[in-house]
Parts: sequence; C-alpha cells; structure tokens
Amino acid sequence: SAVISQKPSRDICQRGTSLTIQCQVDSQVTMMFWYRQQPGQSLTLIATANQGSEATYESGFVIDKFPISRPNLTFSTLTVSNMSPEDSSIYLCSVQGTSGGYNEQFFGPGTRLTVL
Amino acid sequence: GIQVEQSPPDLILQEGANSTLRCNFSDSVNNLQWFHQNPWGQLINLFYIPSGTKQNGRLSATTVATERYSLLYISSSQTTDSGVYFCAVARTNAGKSTFGDGTTLTVKP
Repeated sequence: SAVISQKPSRDICQRGTSLTIQCQVDSQVTMMFWYRQQPGQSLTLIATANQGSEATYESGFVIDKFPISRPNLTFSTLTVSNMSPEDSSIYLCSVQGTSGGYNEQFFGPGTRLTVL
Repeated sequence: GIQVEQSPPDLILQEGANSTLRCNFSDSVNNLQWFHQNPWGQLINLFYIPSGTKQNGRLSATTVATERYSLLYISSSQTTDSGVYFCAVARTNAGKSTFGDGTTLTVKP
C-alpha cells in the first residue's frame, strides 16, 4: 500500500479566501484523485490529477474553483478558491497504481475545511 | 454513470452480533472495494474484491459480478467496528470510482 500525507489536516477559513491542500505519496503512483465529502454525505470525485497537464474535472466542478496541480508522480495540490460556507467539507486525496496493489485505491487522511 | 446502492443505510448492533451489508451496482465493473471510515474520518481499505470471496479475520466479503452485488460480513462485532462502510466500484481497473451512500454501523457495548 501507499503512505499518503495531506497538509493541512484541518483549517478554518474566512469566506472569499483560498486554501491550497497538498498531497504527498511515499512512492510513485499512476493515478491521483481528489474527492470531496460534505457533512454526512458520501464521497464525490472532484477531478483526476494528471501529471504535467490539466486535471480532468467531473461534472459540476470547474478549474476556476478547484485548480489542481500535479508536477510529478508523488505530489499534487488542490486549491479551493473564493470559498463560501458551502465548501465546508473533508477533502481527500486518493491514489491508485502503486507497486503494492496496482488496482487498489488508497486514501489520505483528509483535510477538514470549515468556512465561516 | 454507474449507480451504487448500499443497504441498510443504518445498522445498530449489540457487541458480539453478526451483520451483513449489501452493495448493488447497476453495470458491469472490474473494480470493487469496501472501505471503513472510522469516526476520525480516515478511510481504511477492507477488501479489493471485483469477484469471488475473501476473508480477513472477522470480516469477509463476496462479490457476485454477474448478478451485480457484493456482500460484506462482519462477525462477532466490536465497538471499534462502528463507523461508515462504503462500497466503491469502477468500470475499469484503473478508473475513477463511484461510491455508494454508505452504511452507518453502530455497535453498542
């Protein structure tokens, strides 16, 4: 399995500001994803982070609101821009395609975001 | 996209009881996983099981791909089993997963 770390683990932000979340993996992985989990809800895929190119966004998510970078095979960032209270959620980084389990998906510990 | 339905949505058990959680999906899949989200929000991998049966201690899982369902069995439940259990499926081995709404399990001492 992969060891995935996320920074920050939690944050409280003011509306209108932006927050960048970092995801670091201890080994090279093929696929990296970003998910959102709103309070009491299931996980929803935001986008697939593509190395060296623009992320692939799911319906309902746009690059201006959730810009994503993936400069290499072990690191990605998600920015939540111009935040509103509706953005209060847990944001999770996920990876797939590790040497220990190619098809299995693993998740980071998540970033708990509260927007006031 | 694929629809994923989990049942029951909520389950309350006494410690020591057994339970079965179900995941139905609407299309053929090549990737199916069960996760446990603990009260701190961490998603823990339980099984990667696109087909067949697997066992790990008190937990086991069976996927019948041709009939588009998977079952997660928890035996002799413990309070630490409490949390939300998610089923996630994908059409391809290296594709994005769709999550069910989860089953919230509460195990009482």
